[in-house]
Amino acid sequence: EPEVTQTPSHQVTQMGQEVILRCVPISNHLYFYWYRQILGQKVEFLVSFYNNEISEKSEIFDDQFSVERPDGSNFTLKIRSTKLEDSAMYFCASSLAGGVYEQYFGPGTRLTVT
Amino acid sequence: KQEVTQIPAALSVPEGENLVLNCSFTDSAIYNLQWFRQDPGKGLTSLLLIQSSQREQTSGRLNASLDKSSGRSTLYIAASQPGDSATYLCAVMGAGGANSKLTFGKGITLSVRP
Repeated sequence: EPEVTQTPSHQVTQMGQEVILRCVPISNHLYFYWYRQILGQKVEFLVSFYNNEISEKSEIFDDQFSVERPDGSNFTLKIRSTKLEDSAMYFCASSLAGGVYEQYFGPGTRLTVT
Repeated sequence: KQEVTQIPAALSVPEGENLVLNCSFTDSAIYNLQWFRQDPGKGLTSLLLIQSSQREQTSGRLNASLDKSSGRSTLYIAASQPGDSATYLCAVMGAGGANSKLTFGKGITLSVRP
């Protein structure tokens, strides 16, 4: 069964460093999302992406964040200058552009900022 | 702003019990509602999706119902097993447009005792 994959599974970085989290969505999906979950808290929406542009973003998704679909398979989240409070599990999700719009989630990347 | 609430935060039941997990949301203008399962430190597995026009969906021992007008959904698990132990998350997709973001509840952590 097709699935969303994410790399790396765990990333440790120092405050102020740039990180890139990578995702490979399900191949025929056209909508892509990033969510995050700080330990013990709710899963929060960050951004959605369609047709090579951001379709919606939350107030969390400020100028330090960016997303890109550099080729036909990868979808990336870049955090330019990481802060301690960026430590969280980051989930990528994808969905078809039509139909029931069920979102399928990847296994997540645990980001630890020290 | 949509708020999703799941109470209680944790539940412990003996094996074999039928149980109901509750989810409530403040804005009834939703496109669909998804129930997810999350194992500790892992990603989100989609269990069931209910469209706003539907009343319920079933998959195996799971049955989810939706009462949009009252802002409630329930996930019914029949004949619970220790392998059902996990956190169950409810998420709603707003009616702002297809493929909108999901807004999550904090989840109910279920423990099924052998």
